[in-house]
Amino acid sequence: DAKTTQPNSMESNEEEPVHLPCNHSTISGTDYIHWYRQLPSQGPEYVIHGLTSNVNNRMASLAIAEDRKSSTLILHRATLRDAAVYYCILRTTNSNSGYALNFGKGTSLLVTP
Amino acid sequence: DVKVTQSSRYLVKRTGEKVFLECVQDMDHENMFWYRQDPGLGLRLIYFSYDVKMKEKGDIPEGYSVSREKKERFSLILESASTNQTSMYLCASASGGGVQPQHFGDGTRLSIL
Repeated sequence: DAKTTQPNSMESNEEEPVHLPCNHSTISGTDYIHWYRQLPSQGPEYVIHGLTSNVNNRMASLAIAEDRKSSTLILHRATLRDAAVYYCILRTTNSNSGYALNFGKGTSLLVTP
Repeated sequence: DVKVTQSSRYLVKRTGEKVFLECVQDMDHENMFWYRQDPGLGLRLIYFSYDVKMKEKGDIPEGYSVSREKKERFSLILESASTNQTSMYLCASASGGGVQPQHFGDGTRLSIL
């Protein structure tokens, strides 16, 4: 499986934008880029996913590099409730890969007032 | 919004007991999953089901079984609980297709004494 690399931790001030990077240099053409987050004492929460084009939803935006070797999750205005571990995952349409989500260590986001 | 409900947030059982963890989803999803999450080991897939009465082993099925008699409900059974099954258990559901987002419950923190 193609792997992802994320910084261990990042810090942001409340109400400022946050850009969470993810490197995936061995991504294949069938890999979708997914982002999840996990707040303390809660189950993981789906945030956003994309293939080639940038994506927006009510939670965040996903910017995908033209060569697809990296992507950035953008929280437009961080709140204290956004403090969580953010996971960048590649998921392929290849049926042999199975359905399991393989979370790495993720990025722990600290948001300060 | 998708709602995945796990029957208990916290559960304490004794070694050797048969333990049932229940999960219900309200979005008519075909796929349901059971994971366990342990510090330093990330998310590990125990079993998943892609249809009623169908099940597939994940990465760590030993000591567990599952039941899916109705589309909305997926049960995880610890046949004879052991202390090394103390963990956070997470249920998820997803619509058909390997890259569809998985939606998680809040988890059951199970302690086996």
